[in-house]
Amino acid sequence: DAGVIQSPRHEVTEMGQEVTLRCKPISGHNSLFWYRQTMMRGLELLIYFNNNVPIDDSGMPEDRFSAKMPNASFSTLKIQPSEPRDSAVYFCATSHGYEQYFGPGTRLTVT
Amino acid sequence: ELKVEQNPLFLSMQEGKNYTIYCNYSTTSDRLYWYRQDPGKSLESLFVLLSNGAVKQEGRLMASLDTKARLSTLHITAAVHDLSATYFCADQGGSEKLVFGKGTKLTVNP
Repeated sequence: DAGVIQSPRHEVTEMGQEVTLRCKPISGHNSLFWYRQTMMRGLELLIYFNNNVPIDDSGMPEDRFSAKMPNASFSTLKIQPSEPRDSAVYFCATSHGYEQYFGPGTRLTVT
Repeated sequence: ELKVEQNPLFLSMQEGKNYTIYCNYSTTSDRLYWYRQDPGKSLESLFVLLSNGAVKQEGRLMASLDTKARLSTLHITAAVHDLSATYFCADQGGSEKLVFGKGTKLTVNP
């Protein structure tokens, strides 16, 4: 299995632009999680889905952030408009049961 | 509020020495996870502890869980340079969500 796939791996964009991060879960995993990692705040859960349905989005920082999971094979995290404080590494993780498996992450830089 | 506290946050040790990282958590879910992260890399699952008294070992690392004290430990035996990384514990607070500690950055010096 290829593991959790995320794209792009690196994204540099200007403030105000729309950013879309993508995640392909491990086949058969029915839960998907989006995390953000920064030096200041550590690892934070933004939102998670179970069977493609958003279960908890309490970690989404504000309305500029949105996430979708249109099917079991794909999820997106969108930031519109982006701001410099959104610069971070965004991880997608998936699970079937207890253990979460993390993707390689997307390093986002907003200038 | 779910809380996970790790200590120490920074640990510098010599090769061959032993040390323990501590993880205190606040929930009653009693599922505790340990992850390793190398610089610029993703998180790699090390251990999943699911019950009181659980002990798991992999190489020079051993993790244990005391649910009464809400404490997990990660013990390092005879450290080697390859163990240098940041180690996170995470508590699963009654749902599928994981709450992570701030991480312990371990540096093993020759």
